[in-house]
Amino acid sequence: AQTVTQSQPEMSVQEAETVTLSCTYDTSESDYYLFWYKQPPSRQMILVIRQEAYKQQNATENRFSVNFQKAAKSFSLKISDSQLGDAAMYFCAYRSMSTGTASKLTFGTGTRLQVTL
Amino acid sequence: GAGVSQTPSNKVTEKGKYVELRCDPISGHTALYWYRQSLGQGPEFLIYFQGTGAADDSGLPNDRFFAVRPEGSVSTLKIQRTERGDSAVYLCASSLYGFTDTQYFGPGTRLTVL
Repeated sequence: AQTVTQSQPEMSVQEAETVTLSCTYDTSESDYYLFWYKQPPSRQMILVIRQEAYKQQNATENRFSVNFQKAAKSFSLKISDSQLGDAAMYFCAYRSMSTGTASKLTFGTGTRLQVTL
Repeated sequence: GAGVSQTPSNKVTEKGKYVELRCDPISGHTALYWYRQSLGQGPEFLIYFQGTGAADDSGLPNDRFFAVRPEGSVSTLKIQRTERGDSAVYLCASSLYGFTDTQYFGPGTRLTVL
């Protein structure tokens, strides 16, 4: 079974600064997807960024980028030029590409990001 | 277009009662997922529908939990004989075809069992 670990329960960053959220995972599979989701107080999970394991290039979405280290099974999220609206819970998630288990996302326990002025 | 919607937003019930939670997926999405998020935890998978059928129900914790999607759109998660440990946020997500598609989440239903 796959597991996802987020070792930082809380992080804080000043507005306009850069912060990196950590995520490690355990799997025996070679093909899979990794995601970062944001969950504000409204509870709705919002997709931030997605990475296919077969792609060597790190995914980027505007101010959000990832550092994907497949051999180390590490998938960190970097938020540049942090904004007050970035404050939320951030969840790292894994999704298999095996037909039998590709339906579900496996989430970590989350990192609460605070953004200060 | 409209996103995934869930009703009710909050539900308070007494131990032993029966509850139904509803999910309206994004129009045209064939795949629908239910997750449960306990306090301080990430969401945990419950069940996945492809069309009308449950393609993977391996996450349902016991036989008190049941879900249906009779017409391939709206889904209802049903919990019988609720227990205090069932208190959580129940999240629904949908995707266009399932498998590798991105899942889009609703705002969830917060269930409190007294």
